[in-house]
Amino acid sequence: AQSVTQPDIHITVSEGASLELRCNYSYGATPYLFWYVQSPGQGLQLLLKYFSGDTLVQGIKGFEAEFKRSQSSFNLRKPSVHWSDAAEYFCAVGLGGATNKLIFGTGTLLAVQP
Amino acid sequence: DAGVIQSPRHEVTEMGQEVTLRCKPISGHDYLFWYRQTMMRGLELLIYFNNNVPIDDSGMPEDRFSAKMPNASFSNLKIQPSEPRDSAVYFCASSSGELGYEQYFGPGTRLTVT
Repeated sequence: AQSVTQPDIHITVSEGASLELRCNYSYGATPYLFWYVQSPGQGLQLLLKYFSGDTLVQGIKGFEAEFKRSQSSFNLRKPSVHWSDAAEYFCAVGLGGATNKLIFGTGTLLAVQP
Repeated sequence: DAGVIQSPRHEVTEMGQEVTLRCKPISGHDYLFWYRQTMMRGLELLIYFNNNVPIDDSGMPEDRFSAKMPNASFSNLKIQPSEPRDSAVYFCASSSGELGYEQYFGPGTRLTVT
């Protein structure tokens, strides 16, 4: 069955430090992969997506993610974190076909220390 | 486009009352999804529609929950009768089958049942 695992429930980084959030997926076919961010009291906002092609994708707010098929991973990175990046981050895999359904991970809550 | 619009943003009601949550998807999107988010269960897909037709309602928790999409511009989710355990944030999202699988989320409705 398709699944998405975000092994880190909570991460704390210092402002200006680099960030990597992990995401592993289980899916038989070529996946469609997404990262969303949810700020407190807000809906989920799409950060970036991977459908095909270049395995390093750029998103909004200075985020990037790399698709590694051999590791079934799609980790999110940012070279220098800002206090405003404190939020919850969700990885998702699209099931494709005609469903347009997404399977979400359980999320990683990011705290940023001054 | 104004994005996905949900109303009300907050709803407080007493147990046993009927609750109606409303959603206007992004114009031109042919998929609409209803999610529920709680601390305990995370983000759950309740039901989704394609071209106004319910495709999968397996996530609807009980018969007390129902959802309709009478036209391409509107959907509602009803809970009757409501119970305290229905307290959660309910999100509506829409996507386009032609443009890709990314879903665009509304700001959510925070429901509190006392």
